[in-house]
Amino acid sequence: DAGVIQSPRHEVTEMGQEVTLRCKPISGHDYLFWYRQTMMRGLELLIYFNNNVPIDDSGMPEDRFSAKMPNASFSTLKIQPSEPRDSAVYFCASSLAREGVDEQFFGPGTRLTVL
Amino acid sequence: GQNIDQPTEMTATEGAIVQINCTYQTSGFNGLFWYQQHAGEAPTFLSYNVLDGLEEKGRFSSFLSRSKGYSYLLLKELQMKDSASYLCAVSRTDSWGKLQFGAGTQVVVTP
Repeated sequence: DAGVIQSPRHEVTEMGQEVTLRCKPISGHDYLFWYRQTMMRGLELLIYFNNNVPIDDSGMPEDRFSAKMPNASFSTLKIQPSEPRDSAVYFCASSLAREGVDEQFFGPGTRLTVL
Repeated sequence: GQNIDQPTEMTATEGAIVQINCTYQTSGFNGLFWYQQHAGEAPTFLSYNVLDGLEEKGRFSSFLSRSKGYSYLLLKELQMKDSASYLCAVSRTDSWGKLQFGAGTQVVVTP
């Protein structure tokens, strides 16, 4: 299996621009997670989906952030407009939540820099 | 809510043993995970404990006490490549599939 795939791996943009991050989960996994990691705040869960349906978006910082999962093999995280404080590494992860075990597999991440 | 506490940094010598503690306070506790994250890379799964006791996997072992809200990760025969951040994460029965991560412990292995 190719693992979780994220694109782009690096993104540099200017404040005010729209940013779209993409994720392809592991085939057959029914959970998909979007995380943000910074030195100050660590690894934060932004939103997660189960069977393409958003379950918990309480970690989304504000209305500038939105996420979609149109099908089982693709998800996007969009920031519009972007701000310098959004600079972070964004990870996508997927899992197959069997009873009692919900190991998550992480993608390589997208390093976002907003100037 | 839930609190997950682990030390910020630990330093140990190559060949030695290091124990990373994690304490948690949460309702509906289901299980505890340990992840390893090398600088600039994604977290990778190390271990999972749902019952009390010790789980051994090669040089790494993980322990859980549900009654005390306590876990530790034991790294034996340390190697330079073990220098990384180690993240403790909790899953809950009322939020199936979701993990809450601690801030991570940076382990530095010196020659």
